[in-house]
Amino acid sequence: DAGVTQSPTHLIKTRGQQVTLRCSPKSGHDTVSWYQQALGQGPQFIFQYYEEEERQRGNFPDRFSGHQFPNYSSELNVNALLLGDSALYLCASSLRDGDYEQYFGPGTRLTVT
Amino acid sequence: QQQVKQSPQSLIVQKGGISIINCAYENTAFDYFPWYQQFPGKGPALLIAIRPDVSEKKEGRFTISFNKSAKQFSLHIMDSQPGDSATYFCAASLLNSGGGADGLTFGKGTHLIIQP
Repeated sequence: DAGVTQSPTHLIKTRGQQVTLRCSPKSGHDTVSWYQQALGQGPQFIFQYYEEEERQRGNFPDRFSGHQFPNYSSELNVNALLLGDSALYLCASSLRDGDYEQYFGPGTRLTVT
Repeated sequence: QQQVKQSPQSLIVQKGGISIINCAYENTAFDYFPWYQQFPGKGPALLIAIRPDVSEKKEGRFTISFNKSAKQFSLHIMDSQPGDSATYFCAASLLNSGGGADGLTFGKGTHLIIQP
C-alpha cells in the first residue's frame, strides 16, 4: 500500500518565477493538506482540499494556490516566488469522515535564489 | 494565529532514561492532539495522538499525558534509545463536521538526542 508521494524531491527556482508541486495521497484517502516547513521550524498549514475544493486556509497570501483532481491527487502552485518561500513543502493526506489522522509525504525541498 | 508552544527546544537524555517534551495551547476549541517524529530529510511521521476526553494514552514506550484545565499535554518516551534521536513536534487541531481533522497547528519542535 503506497503512502503519500510527492514530486519533485528538490527544486531550484529564481525569484519571481512560478512553481508547481505535486502530491498523491495515501490509498483510500480523500483529503489533502499542504504545509510549509522552514528550516528549523515546525510545519505551517497552507490549505486543505476536499472534494476538489479548498476547505480551509492558513495565513498565506494569494500567491499560494492549489488544486485537487478527481483522483484526489493535488497540486500546490506558488507565483512570484520570494527568497522567503525557500522551504520544505509537505503534503499530508487523510480521510474526511471519521479518521482524523494525517499522514505526511517526504516533502519537496524548494530553494529560491 | 492560534499557537502551540513547545519546550524544551533541545533535549539530551541518556540511553534507558525518560524523555519528556511539553506543549501548551491557547485555543480551548482544539480537540485533537497528535505528536509527530521527524528524521532529517524526511516528512513527519505520526507517533501517537490523543483526544481531550482522556487524560492519558499509552502506545508501547510512548505516552501522552493531557491536562485539559491547564491546556497542556506532554509526550513521555520511556526507555529512550539512540534510534529515538529525532525532532519531535506536538500539534493541535479542530475536528471538522465529518470527523476528520482540520489543518494542524504545530509547535516549533524539540531536537532530542539519546546518548548511548
